[in-house]
Amino acid sequence: DGGITQSPKYLFRKEGQNVTLSCEQNLNHDAMYWYRQDPGQGLRLIYYSQIVNDFQKGDIAEGYSVSREKKESFPLTVTSAQKNPTAFYLCASSSTGDQPQHFGDGTRLSIL
Amino acid sequence: GQQVMQIPQYQHVQEGEDFTTYCNSSTTLSNIQWYKQRPGGHPVFLIQLVKSGEVKKQKRLTFQFGEAKKNSSLHITATQTTDVGTYFCAGRSGGGADGLTFGKGTHLIIQP
Repeated sequence: DGGITQSPKYLFRKEGQNVTLSCEQNLNHDAMYWYRQDPGQGLRLIYYSQIVNDFQKGDIAEGYSVSREKKESFPLTVTSAQKNPTAFYLCASSSTGDQPQHFGDGTRLSIL
Repeated sequence: GQQVMQIPQYQHVQEGEDFTTYCNSSTTLSNIQWYKQRPGGHPVFLIQLVKSGEVKKQKRLTFQFGEAKKNSSLHITATQTTDVGTYFCAGRSGGGADGLTFGKGTHLIIQP
């Protein structure tokens, strides 16, 4: 959707390497989210943030970290502790926590 | 934790036939949202249901929220090739402070 930009579109990670996925929104939304999608599966929540400088773990936070230093930015780091990182990562935002979510185009992460 | 189950996982229909996907939650939901994801794309918000027993229509799409607010359905009348994609329901049991829990989705395949 317009207003949420994820980069890069494709990313390759070497063993033992941390990688950071970018998510920027210009919708002035308070809430932002990170999801992981595996082939043929639904979306699983990794982390979410309702407000700047605050974030909460989702269902599958292990091996991931986030920061929310600015309202418009919510980067996700996939650490070397995440042993199976190959997936499609989707960032979303909403005006408040119970409003519809707008998604970015996603980042496909693969292991080299 | 909250679980949202969606059936069927896959549905093949002939163009012009009707289609229905069902969503069931293990807990009472404060609201339910429906999203559509085209192949290779990202989820796009369709509708949100909030009230017990609520029914909403969007052209050929009819959405229902159960009386107990634990189940929902999406019905498409006279499917068209543009309806191809995966339909997800997503529920929230909290008051907006929690993330959404997505079902695994129903993949709609249409044969012309």
